[in-house]
Amino acid sequence: GDSVTQMEGPVTLSEEAFLTINCTYTATGYPSLFWYVQYPGEGLQLLLKATKADDKGSNKGFEATYRKETTSFHLEKGSVQVSDSAVYFCALTYAGGTSYGKLTFGQGTILTVHP
Amino acid sequence: DADVTQTPRNRITKTGKRIMLECSQTKGHDRMYWYRQDPGLGLRLIYYSFDVKDINKGEISDGYSVSRQAQAKFSLSLESAIPNQTALYFCATSRQGWQPQHFGDGTRLSIL
Repeated sequence: GDSVTQMEGPVTLSEEAFLTINCTYTATGYPSLFWYVQYPGEGLQLLLKATKADDKGSNKGFEATYRKETTSFHLEKGSVQVSDSAVYFCALTYAGGTSYGKLTFGQGTILTVHP
Repeated sequence: DADVTQTPRNRITKTGKRIMLECSQTKGHDRMYWYRQDPGLGLRLIYYSFDVKDINKGEISDGYSVSRQAQAKFSLSLESAIPNQTALYFCATSRQGWQPQHFGDGTRLSIL
């Protein structure tokens, strides 16, 4: 079956540091990939997405590139802010087939950014 | 107002009680989902519904049931709650199955 694996957390950084959160996946087909963010006390919000190989998703300074050859979708940001402190989830789904519409999530990575 | 509203936001109850969590949405989406979140496990799908007459089990449906009362309403029930159902529960919606899902703010459920 499908699975998503994220780097172990928590991740603690100083403001303006470079961020990488690793995400790799195992998939039986050609999924769409997502990063969601969860701020304290809130639900998940879509951060960015990519629907096919070599696509780059970007939003709010965050980027991730869909790498089919390494089955990865690593999240990066060049300069983090305190307001980026949250839990980040990598996820995949399919546009068809028996897994259509089902999101498979990674376990989440807690990011804390200090001033 | 929130596009996806969950009630209650917090609930503490006892083992054996029947509990209903409610979700309503104003986004006009056909597809609705229930997840539970546990520390270190991410979110796991309990049930999902692609329209009012189409309800499907997710990966962890045992001990749960759902009702899709209307396009905008999707309720999750625990018929006889047990402590290991203590978790954060999320409702989500999407326009198409492969498109991004929109989440409510969650219900924190504690079963003593």
